[in-house]
Amino acid sequence: GEDVEQSLFLSVREGDSSVINCTYTDSSSTYLYWYKQEPGAGLQLLTYIFSNMDMKQDQRLTVLLNKKDKHLSLRIADTQTGDSAIYFCADSSGGYNKLIFGAGTRLAVHP
Amino acid sequence: DAMVIQNPRYQVTQFGKPVTLSCSQTLNHNVMYWYQQKSSQAPKLLFHYYDKDFNNEADTPDNFQSRRPNTSFCFLDIRSPGLGDAAMYLCATTWTGNTEAFFGQGTRLTVV
Repeated sequence: GEDVEQSLFLSVREGDSSVINCTYTDSSSTYLYWYKQEPGAGLQLLTYIFSNMDMKQDQRLTVLLNKKDKHLSLRIADTQTGDSAIYFCADSSGGYNKLIFGAGTRLAVHP
Repeated sequence: DAMVIQNPRYQVTQFGKPVTLSCSQTLNHNVMYWYQQKSSQAPKLLFHYYDKDFNNEADTPDNFQSRRPNTSFCFLDIRSPGLGDAAMYLCATTWTGNTEAFFGQGTRLTVV
């Protein structure tokens, strides 16, 4: 079946850029998503990219998609302590926007 | 204002004792999902409703059932919870053709 993989942990200094990487297997994915989850909370959609796009920028967030390599990345510019959370990559599979999630990358931001 | 509301936020149940988690939405979305997220793992889809049509994922255990009495409400029933069912349960909604699914805050289930 479809699979989404992410590295599990990333530590950055406050003010630096963070880059979280994701690979996926489903070549028919229409949309790819990044969700943020803070401790004890639900999932918050950060951004998404349509599969025919290479890049999408939204304020401090930049998403890059390499469809040939099935690689997705999320860059957070000027990372702040409030960005500390788990970030999930997801692709939409099948109908009805069902989501296949990666295991999540825990981002730790230190002074 | 919360648009997808899950109650309760925390639920403790006894091993083998049936438990029901609830989800309500004010968005009038026609699709509702239940995901299970075990500790440090990816959320995993259990089932979804498209309007009143129930769609079970192939690997969802029979112990898990769902009801959707109307557009706004959806329930997750666990008939005989085991220790392995302890997890965060996430409800989400969307409208057909939408790109975004809206998630509730989740219910953390503990089985003792």
